[in-house]
Amino acid sequence: QKEVEQNSGPLSVPEGAIASLNCTYSDRGSQSFFWYRQYSGKSPELIMSIYSNGDKEDGRFTAQLNKASQYVSLLIRDSQPSDSATYLCAVNRGTYSGGSNYKLTFGKGTLLTVNP
Amino acid sequence: SQTIHQWPATLVQPVGSPLSLECTVEGTSNPNLYWYRQAAGRGLQLLFYSVGIGQISSEVPQNLSASRPQDRQFILSSKKLLLSDSGFYLCAWSVRSVYEQYFGPGTRLTVT
Repeated sequence: QKEVEQNSGPLSVPEGAIASLNCTYSDRGSQSFFWYRQYSGKSPELIMSIYSNGDKEDGRFTAQLNKASQYVSLLIRDSQPSDSATYLCAVNRGTYSGGSNYKLTFGKGTLLTVNP
Repeated sequence: SQTIHQWPATLVQPVGSPLSLECTVEGTSNPNLYWYRQAAGRGLQLLFYSVGIGQISSEVPQNLSASRPQDRQFILSSKKLLLSDSGFYLCAWSVRSVYEQYFGPGTRLTVT
């Protein structure tokens, strides 16, 4: 079983629509969850962090976490063509047990295309 | 504010040649540092991480090595490159006891 799974896509949405990106993880001890955006040919950029069950909103982005279901999602409202990128989900166990607890495990990413 | 630099931005090297990629972080002290590789069509693979000067942990056995000679400097090396070493090499940093990682601009390596 893969540690962090994402639908590779591509996910295609029209401009102005809500884009919904999903991620599941296998380690029930995971505590910290992140979404990164990666434009083609560029490095990943952190856009959201979430640590507690529920929703966290930042501008047009909402991260949702359900630890019981081992599921984290990212909603992008009013999608713009500039949102077209690969979105990476990352998970951390965060048990403060030494240097290894800082490691992030990444999914392979979902390619989002927003059509004008 | 914190800034992370990587160089070179692109590199084309023949098989069997040595490699040295450098990463430096500005605006923070005692960061955790990481080297990742992203091969075409594959996810981010953690290669090495470091929690302090001279402290290197290796995630994947391979012909690569890493060193941290100064607090904010992280170097990725190889004595002899393989074709399979081609990829996008990314350095990242995080603040101690915080899990958010921030990536540098990356080095795109092509081994021919």
